[in-house]
Amino acid sequence: EIVLTQSPGTLSLSPGERATLSCRASQSVSSSYLAWYQQKPGQAPGLLIYGPSSRATGIPDRFSGSGSGTDFTLTISRLEPEDFAVYYCQHYGSSPWTFGQGTKVEIK
Amino acid sequence: QITLKESGPTLVKPTQTLTLTCTFSGFSLSTSGVGVGWIRQPPGKALEWLALIYWDDDKRYSPSLKSRLTITKDTSKNQVVLTMTNMDPVDTATYYCAHSKWELPIDYWGQGTLVTVSS
Repeated sequence: EIVLTQSPGTLSLSPGERATLSCRASQSVSSSYLAWYQQKPGQAPGLLIYGPSSRATGIPDRFSGSGSGTDFTLTISRLEPEDFAVYYCQHYGSSPWTFGQGTKVEIK
Repeated sequence: QITLKESGPTLVKPTQTLTLTCTFSGFSLSTSGVGVGWIRQPPGKALEWLALIYWDDDKRYSPSLKSRLTITKDTSKNQVVLTMTNMDPVDTATYYCAHSKWELPIDYWGQGTLVTVSS
C-alpha cells in the first residue's frame, strides 16, 4: 500500500500569494497515477489535477501539478479567495487507492 | 450529466452491519471502463478509500477493512451497494460514493451521507 504524506499540514497565506503543496509517496507511483482534490467545508471533494499535471475540466490555469516517482507538487500561482480550502493528494490506478492526510490552505 | 446519491441509515448501533446504497444516473456500470467506489471521511479528518467495483465486476478493497466490506452492483437499477460489518464508533463518518474510469481518478462525487455509530 502506498502511503502519501502531505506537507505542510496548514499553509497560511494571503490572497494573491503563491501556494506550494507537497505530496510524498512511500514508494514510486506508477505511471504518475497521482491526483489532487480540493474540499471546502460541507462539500464533497472536487478533482483539480491528475496524471499528475493534467487539469480537470473547468479548473483555472492558476492550478498546476508536477512531479514523478515519489515527489509531487500542487502549485496555486495566485491565491483567489475561493481557493482557501483543504487539498488532498490521491494515488489511483492500482489498488489500494490511498489519500494523503490533507493540507489546509487558510487565510493569513 | 452524471449524478450520484448515497442512501442508508444515519444511525447504527455498535456490532451492527451497515448497508449503503449509491444510486446514480448519467452513466451505465455496464460500460467498459466505468467504476463506482466508496470513500469515507470521519468528522474533521482525512478521506479514506474503502472499495471500488468496475463494470466487469472486478472488486477492490482497502486492505485494512477488506474483511468487513462487500461491494456489489445492480446494473439494471443503476445502484452500487456497500456493506460493512461489525460497526464501531470509530466508523462514524460521512460516506461518499463516486464515479471513475479505468486508470483515471474520481471525477464525480455524491453529496455524502453521515453515518453515526452509537448505542
